[in-house]
Amino acid sequence: DAMVIQNPRYQVTQFGKPVTLSCSQTLNHNVMYWYQQKSSQAPKLLFHYYDKDFNNEADTPDNFQSRRPNTSFCFLDIRSPGLGDAAMYLCATSNRLEREQYFGPGTRLTVT
Amino acid sequence: GENVEQHPSTLSVQEGDSAVIKCTYSDSASNYFPWYKQELGKRPQLIIDIRSNVGEKKDQRIAVTLNKTAKHFSLHITETQPEDSAVYFCAAPFISSGSARQLTFGSGTQLTVLP
Repeated sequence: DAMVIQNPRYQVTQFGKPVTLSCSQTLNHNVMYWYQQKSSQAPKLLFHYYDKDFNNEADTPDNFQSRRPNTSFCFLDIRSPGLGDAAMYLCATSNRLEREQYFGPGTRLTVT
Repeated sequence: GENVEQHPSTLSVQEGDSAVIKCTYSDSASNYFPWYKQELGKRPQLIIDIRSNVGEKKDQRIAVTLNKTAKHFSLHITETQPEDSAVYFCAAPFISSGSARQLTFGSGTQLTVLP
């Protein structure tokens, strides 16, 4: 049974064209995270929501935004994708901070 | 230095041999240390974790040891099998922004088990 679901699995967008990635969870976890992972690198945290509280990492570009309309869903908006934003985007959830994180399958973003 | 340093970056072992991957961390207040396995094109999956109140934890062929004084922890895989081939990431909490600790990942170790 899927616990963290990401849609779409593959996304192709044009340079500068806004794109939204979706994540949903059935675990009822308080915390939802968005990571960017480039080839052969570790996941890099972009931001997270603890319930409705949004926490942005200091080095996350302004081009990246997030929304969490309810407990189950969280969205990643890239306002003007650049070629350097091509990556795997991973959503994860946890019941509390500093606890086990459950990852979704990821969305691979291609920017043309 | 990095908040979490991981070594080696690549590791090749013969099937049946043991593999050891080491990580060091900088935040002495960190108290939770997970290890994730990521197969090519797939999501990271937790394989084992340890909290700071214990020094070792074992789950079948996988074990993790923690030395809080030295601020390092290690993943041990015994009797390696070809299906153990993957990238392994350690992680430790670190205050990166605001007041909340977030998991910071090591740079990863590509483990190859040779048949």
